[in-house]
Amino acid sequence: GESVGLHLPTLSVQEGDNSIINCAYSNSASDYFIWYKQESGKGPQFIIDIRSNMDKRQGQRVTVLLNKTVKHLSLQIAATQPGDSAVYFCAENWDSGQNFVFGPGTRLSVLP
Amino acid sequence: KAGVTQTPRYLIKTRGQQVTLSCSPISGHRSVSWYQQTPGQGLQFLFEYFSETQRNKGNFPGRFSGRQFSNSRSEMNVSTLELGDSALYLCASSPQGTHNTEAFFGQGTRLTVV
Repeated sequence: GESVGLHLPTLSVQEGDNSIINCAYSNSASDYFIWYKQESGKGPQFIIDIRSNMDKRQGQRVTVLLNKTVKHLSLQIAATQPGDSAVYFCAENWDSGQNFVFGPGTRLSVLP
Repeated sequence: KAGVTQTPRYLIKTRGQQVTLSCSPISGHRSVSWYQQTPGQGLQFLFEYFSETQRNKGNFPGRFSGRQFSNSRSEMNVSTLELGDSALYLCASSPQGTHNTEAFFGQGTRLTVV
């Protein structure tokens, strides 16, 4: 498959454990955030989003936490499965329109 | 509902040539954005089109251009290709493209410049 990033930080977790992926965003004016999952050879897939008027949002097996004080975003994946292995990106948006700024990504590796 | 479709999936071009990539957004989506993804620079915003008008532009040279048609389909063009233009080019669509709304990505076009 195609290499998304040569020197991405990697998180290795045991199957069934919970995963926490962190992201430091750049702009204190950012008010909308998305987590994307990208598997080898595919485009980024929307996982969950959060607006700046919230500090937590839950989806199916995933939770996003937002700490605006320290410009930090995290993605928690419950009961991590082999299919969760991918590169995860956070993206921030503060301007009008759809110009998102993406973080460098974290590679999640799920161990059997 | 079909997702975002990008064509072609793979392309090999020679330095100095030009290339045109195509993106068909999700039906009903009016905003189309383009991103370049490389191992060194990650995902970088190129430009966004809405109602046939470029609404936002990233920090790329003028060799990178795009357009959007009345059916919301979009094309991007890169002229005078350089080796450093080798990348995965991703297209994303959004219903209205307003701030605070999600963007859905296609599979991308892998461009290799030799």
